[in-house]
Amino acid sequence: DADVTQTPRNRITKTGKRIMLECSQTKGHDRMYWYRQDPGLGLRLIYYSFDVKDINKGEISDGYSVSRQAQAKFSLSLESAIPNQTALYFCATSDFEGYGYTFGSGTRLTVV
Amino acid sequence: AQSVTQLGSHVSVSEGALVLLRCNYSSSVPPYLFWYVQYPNQGLQLLLKYTSAATLVKGINGFEAEFKKSETSFHLTKPSAHMSDAAEYFCAVSDGGLGNQFYFGTGTSLTVIP
Repeated sequence: DADVTQTPRNRITKTGKRIMLECSQTKGHDRMYWYRQDPGLGLRLIYYSFDVKDINKGEISDGYSVSRQAQAKFSLSLESAIPNQTALYFCATSDFEGYGYTFGSGTRLTVV
Repeated sequence: AQSVTQLGSHVSVSEGALVLLRCNYSSSVPPYLFWYVQYPNQGLQLLLKYTSAATLVKGINGFEAEFKKSETSFHLTKPSAHMSDAAEYFCAVSDGGLGNQFYFGTGTSLTVIP
């Protein structure tokens, strides 16, 4: 099994719908992150969490929310999806020292 | 604040030729620097990292990078390109502290020409 698992792998949804992307990890890391990747823009941080009771906004949090259900689970929600949220979304984890991330395989989201 | 600039969004090299992917960083504190590789339809995989030890860092698949503080650079090299090296490469910087976050460059797409 992968260290960081994202579900679903692909999703097409309609404008205005609520959608949740899920991430679970077996690394035992406290720190978890959600990024979105757009062509030519690299990866941009949406939200991050350093432990179960800690949630922080990243540089592009508008239109998104997160939930840290357990150390191993970190979900990203789009309350009302819009087309410019079409992107590749990655979940990542890191250890306390932050010596590098472990990434999931990504969720490709299309909002039509 | 930290930031990363990757020069060249697309790089093409011939198979067997030198690979050089450029990364310059900006950091107000001693940085931790990383290179990640992304193969098509996959997540990002750590290639190598610099965390204030040796300035020449060796990674997987024959890649290496050298930290040059005076030039604020962390360029990625490989002496001889292989077809399997074709991928997207991302440079990233972190301050490695308690509030560490990673800041990624916009990526460089490497094409290897047979």
